Amino acid sequence: DAGVTQSPTHLIKTRGQHVTLRCSPISGHKSVSWYQQVLGQGPQFIFQYYEKEERGRGNFPDRFSARQFPNYSSELNVNALLLGDSALYLCASSLLRTGGQGVGEKLFFGSGTQLSVL
Amino acid sequence: AQSVTQLGSHVSVSEGALVLLRCNYSSSVPPYLFWYVQYPNQGLQLLLKYTTGATLVKGINGFEAEFKKSETSFHLTKPSAHMSDAAEYFCAVISSASKIIFGSGTRLSIRP
Repeated sequence: DAGVTQSPTHLIKTRGQHVTLRCSPISGHKSVSWYQQVLGQGPQFIFQYYEKEERGRGNFPDRFSARQFPNYSSELNVNALLLGDSALYLCASSLLRTGGQGVGEKLFFGSGTQLSVL
Repeated sequence: AQSVTQLGSHVSVSEGALVLLRCNYSSSVPPYLFWYVQYPNQGLQLLLKYTTGATLVKGINGFEAEFKKSETSFHLTKPSAHMSDAAEYFCAVISSASKIIFGSGTRLSIRP
């Protein structure tokens, strides 16, 4: 079975542009979470979606938005890109609403999309 | 608020030597703690996690971690390092909002 897949793997944008990142969870997983990992830092939580509804939001500006589709895939959108948005964006999927935090539950990460803003 | 602090952004050990990666946590409630590993150009992979019960947790690839409440620590160890262990390691804790908060990471290098 395929793991969590993200596209594209690399992306270069300029300041002010818009970007859409895509994530397909593991088959059967209904929860998708997005993380931003700036070089040299740990991942920072952006959003969690479960059954197409937002279940959690991190401390990110409104330029960041996301959605989850009926097939449980997800998109992360970032408007008006800033240089500071350059990072590795990670998607993670899990089976349950708890998003990988439950006892005995596990969070599966994709390889990420490397976004460079020039 | 929950948080984790990883001591040492870079640790280098010889192949076959003990690996010790340090993590201290801050939590107002009994914590759920995790260690993740990230290999170059890959996503994160769960090594082990502590929720309740036994304080010594065994994970994949020979790693283990011990939850010490009195020291608010959750250090990761492996008795004998292998070249394939070279990677970035992240300690993490569940926040009060049920979201994972990651530390800043420790890069582990293995010397031949």
